[in-house]
Amino acid sequence: QVTLRESGPALVKPTQTLTLTCTFSGFSLSTSGMCVSWIRQPPGKALEWLARIDWDDDKFYSTPLKTRLTISKDTSKNQVVLRMTNMDPVDTATYYCARMRKSLVSNTWFPPDCWGQGTLVTVSS
Amino acid sequence: EIVLTQSPGTLSLSPGERATLSCRASQSLSSSYLAWYQQKPGQAPRLLIYGASSRATGIPDRFSGSGSGTDFTLTISRLEPEDFAVYYCQQYVASPPDTFGQGAKLEIK
Repeated sequence: QVTLRESGPALVKPTQTLTLTCTFSGFSLSTSGMCVSWIRQPPGKALEWLARIDWDDDKFYSTPLKTRLTISKDTSKNQVVLRMTNMDPVDTATYYCARMRKSLVSNTWFPPDCWGQGTLVTVSS
Repeated sequence: EIVLTQSPGTLSLSPGERATLSCRASQSLSSSYLAWYQQKPGQAPRLLIYGASSRATGIPDRFSGSGSGTDFTLTISRLEPEDFAVYYCQQYVASPPDTFGQGAKLEIK
């Protein structure tokens, strides 16, 4: 059974750096084809894709947020960490991590199919 | 970056009716990497459809997806009370960025 859980501070101040951890089980990021994505959702608004890290350590970022985001993985701990610098009140959102995968047999990509429950981060002084 | 536009923004229907939601991409999606999600208040999104037309594991067959290129559709053949929620389309790619539509609310009439 695949599970993911986001953890991090519920409240950060403007200009601070946010560090979120996604701890997962049921799969390994050392397995070829496995990936973890981060997605966020401001209250009452749409989903926004943020970043992805792949089994081979390829990393991808949202174009408008690229300069503020860093994604990394610790395969021994089954964790993925997302850092976002210079936080602003508009970054207030629920942050989700989700598993994504690629079938190396069929060379087919699958969208995020297993999601964490999300963690609400509020940016306020 | 590909922009996804969903329509209508809100759809008001009754249980038992048929729902049709649209998602239009600003450019053609290679390999039809288009997904649909359902989200209920306070919950994470739930994957319904991937590859434009394949149902995810455990999804009832009243949900179906179709389309290719730039135009995609999610159809719910006969609405059940639990189907009233917000629906998002997403394009996912080998080399991101991925994008989501702005969402469509399916509400009880």
